[in-house]
Amino acid sequence: DAGVIQSPRHEVTEMGQEVTLRCKPISGHDYLFWYRQTMMRGLELLIYFNNNVPIDDSGMPEDRFSAKMPNASFSTLKIQPSEPRDSAVYFCASSQTGGNYGETQYFGPGTRLLVL
Amino acid sequence: DAKTTQPNSMESNEEEPVHLPCNHSTISGTDYIHWYRQLPSQGPEYVIHGLTSNVNNRMASLAIAEDRKSSTLILHRATLRDAAVYYCILSSGGYQKVTFGTGTKLQVIP
Repeated sequence: DAGVIQSPRHEVTEMGQEVTLRCKPISGHDYLFWYRQTMMRGLELLIYFNNNVPIDDSGMPEDRFSAKMPNASFSTLKIQPSEPRDSAVYFCASSQTGGNYGETQYFGPGTRLLVL
Repeated sequence: DAKTTQPNSMESNEEEPVHLPCNHSTISGTDYIHWYRQLPSQGPEYVIHGLTSNVNNRMASLAIAEDRKSSTLILHRATLRDAAVYYCILSSGGYQKVTFGTGTKLQVIP
């Protein structure tokens, strides 16, 4: 398996522009997570989906952020409009329900976003 | 979420064993203990997990205290490639949301 795939790997944009990050989870995984990592705040969970349905979006910082999962093999995280404080590394992860032990999450390589 | 406490940083000499501690005094009976590590410029990767008994895999060993309020990740022979941030997290059965703390930054000295 190719693992979790994220695109783009790097994104540089100007303040006010729309940014769309993409993620392809591991085939067969029914959970998908979006995380953001900064030096100041560490690794934060933004939102996660189960079977394409958003379960918990309490970590989404504000209305400028939105996430969708139109099918089991694709998810997007959109920022509109982007601001410099959104600069971070955004990770997508997926996992598979398989038992009552909190499933292992598999992370993608991340998208490094810089908003100027 | 139950919280975990880890030292901010640790050092180890290459080819020596490393014991990374984690305290989780508020752990519940259904919480599994997971360890992930994050190499520089990469996403976190799974290392090992356990519930009550000690666990071994090709990467590491996990020693869990009898009262489950603490655990230790053991790297038997540290290599330079083991230099990373190691996260200890708790994950309840059937509940996918987990919280990553600040982790322990391991430095391996040649």
